[in-house]
Amino acid sequence: EAGVAQSPRYKIIEKRQSVAFWCNPISGHATLYWYQQILGQGPKLLIQFQNNGVVDDSQLPKDRFSAERLKGVDSTLKIQPAKLEDSAVYLCASSSQTGQPQHFGDGTRLSIL
Amino acid sequence: DAKTTQPTSMDCAEGRAANLPCNHSTISGNEYVYWYRQIHSQGPQYIIHGLKNNETNEMASLIITEDRKSSTLILPHATLRDTAVYYCIVRPPQAGTALIFGKGTTLSVSS
Repeated sequence: EAGVAQSPRYKIIEKRQSVAFWCNPISGHATLYWYQQILGQGPKLLIQFQNNGVVDDSQLPKDRFSAERLKGVDSTLKIQPAKLEDSAVYLCASSSQTGQPQHFGDGTRLSIL
Repeated sequence: DAKTTQPTSMDCAEGRAANLPCNHSTISGNEYVYWYRQIHSQGPQYIIHGLKNNETNEMASLIITEDRKSSTLILPHATLRDTAVYYCIVRPPQAGTALIFGKGTTLSVSS
């Protein structure tokens, strides 16, 4: 089966600019997650969707980050405006409703200048 | 915060078994132990998980102590491609629960 697809693979922007990341989960996976991974640390959950509804966005900095999953399949994560501390890898993961392990994409590496 | 404690780094010779320990002394009775690894510039990859019994698959074996307060991931014949950060994660049984990662163990396999 095809894995979790993410794009772009790399992105460089200046602070205060906006950026968007795209994720296509594994077909049929109802749950989608966005994680942020800062260099040297493990991934940290930003937001979790069940179909097109938000399950947990308690760790999402809502003043600058937003995410949507309009049709319960693809998802986009946006940062506006970006800060230097947003430099990180943004990982998307998906899982089925049967409790099977999460599968991760290879992430988008964001660098803020 | 992560509910697990792992050594920061470990070394292993190619072809030898790699034994990665994890302490999870506050684990609840219905929580699972999951292991993921992350090779450089890739996303985390699922390895194995277990509740009480030891588990084995094509990638590794998971040994969980009887009191469930610690576990060991075993890579029976480590190769250079096993060099990665290994994460031990305690997870509730509810489907869809997000993972809480610690800093993991950096395993370096050398020839």
